Amino acid sequence: KNEVEQSPQNLTAQEGEFITINCSYSVGISALHWLQQHPGGGIVSLFMLSSGKKKHGRLIATINIQEKHSSLHITASHPRDSAVYICAARAVAHMNYGGSQGNLIFGKGTKLSVKP
Amino acid sequence: AAGVIQSPRHLIKEKRETATLKCYPIPRHDTVYWYQQGPGQDPQFLISFYEKMQSDKGSIPDRFSAQQFSDYHSELNMSSLELGDSALYFCASSSDSYEQYFGPGTRLTVT
Repeated sequence: KNEVEQSPQNLTAQEGEFITINCSYSVGISALHWLQQHPGGGIVSLFMLSSGKKKHGRLIATINIQEKHSSLHITASHPRDSAVYICAARAVAHMNYGGSQGNLIFGKGTKLSVKP
Repeated sequence: AAGVIQSPRHLIKEKRETATLKCYPIPRHDTVYWYQQGPGQDPQFLISFYEKMQSDKGSIPDRFSAQQFSDYHSELNMSSLELGDSALYFCASSSDSYEQYFGPGTRLTVT
């Protein structure tokens, strides 16, 4: 079982729809990142969360530390939102990584396609 | 605002050759992370540096080495390249806020 699980893996929406992407994690984390990766590969950091909720334009990210769950919402979706959205956890301590801080454990990503 | 710079953006090498990837962090960022993303895969952590010292090590092969220099830029050296090393290599930098800012990546193709 992956330590960071995302759902759905693929999502197709019509322009204007409200979109939710979910992320669950099994490790203790110090922060959770939502990243956006466009075709061609470049990664953009959308949010870093350690509690509560953050909003940036049409994007909203929430995290529930007790339930180890985070969601990324996109309101009034647009074709330019089409990308892969990746949830990445910054582990507090992880035996394979020697208990360090900082490096991220990535989910498999959600491929979003917004049709006009 | 200045972003993370990686060079080269694309690199083609033959098997058994060596490659050097460079990463220039955002000014005043003291931590650099290297990630490898194989075709259709999620990124995997390779190695990180804080204040020019290695701070953590992930799934980095012994054929690879890296260092962070006095100006905080970092280089990932890859020797005896294999076909399976073909991937997108990301560098990210951070400061006290811990938020990681990613570079555009270097796409390495080994033929």
